[in-house]
Amino acid sequence: DGGITQSPKYLFRKEGQNVTLSCEQNLNHDAMYWYRQDPGQGLRLIYYSQIVNDFQKGDIAEGYSVSREKKESFPLTVTSAQKNPTAFYLCASSDSGATEAFFGQGTRLTVV
Amino acid sequence: KQEVTQIPAALSVPEGENLVLNCSFTDSAIYNLQWFRQDPGKGLTSLLLIQSSQREQTSGRLNASLDKSSGRSTLYIAASQPGDSATYLCAVTGANSKLTFGKGITLSVRP
Repeated sequence: DGGITQSPKYLFRKEGQNVTLSCEQNLNHDAMYWYRQDPGQGLRLIYYSQIVNDFQKGDIAEGYSVSREKKESFPLTVTSAQKNPTAFYLCASSDSGATEAFFGQGTRLTVV
Repeated sequence: KQEVTQIPAALSVPEGENLVLNCSFTDSAIYNLQWFRQDPGKGLTSLLLIQSSQREQTSGRLNASLDKSSGRSTLYIAASQPGDSATYLCAVTGANSKLTFGKGITLSVRP
């Protein structure tokens, strides 16, 4: 089946730890995105990548890092510098800016 | 900076009603506009995509229109059903392939 797979579905992190969220797509899409969703805030863009080995900061990149070494994969690391990491994280991909975007099922990160 | 607004934040209607969800955006320089559905705790499901050169798209009981010059889009749902209860989000794609979202409208369809 073609689509976007995010893992894990639920993730718990201790304060001061870095964690990495996985996002894999088999749609052969060039562009990939990471969003954060908080209640009442809508989706906010963290990072996006239009091509392998290139990525740009979104609106709330502080405390996050990404890599794009392969077309299929766009992992997001939530670092200890992120002050309020508890949120629902969504990954998306599209063939280009003018085409339909598809989303994964999300990862819920909780700091304990 | 592009801003997308969806009002109201929540809507409750009886089953069978036809309804319109509104979306407005501030910068008309967009590539496309997309409507999504989100069920609680789930990812987003794409409903309709309207390219900037198009005026509307239809899928089943859903019809979306786009007026780029006025910065508005509407999602029309015909004969609403309890299964339509979800949050509906609109998003526009602008420069550098950036998707900007509204905060969504939470729809409840009462049996």
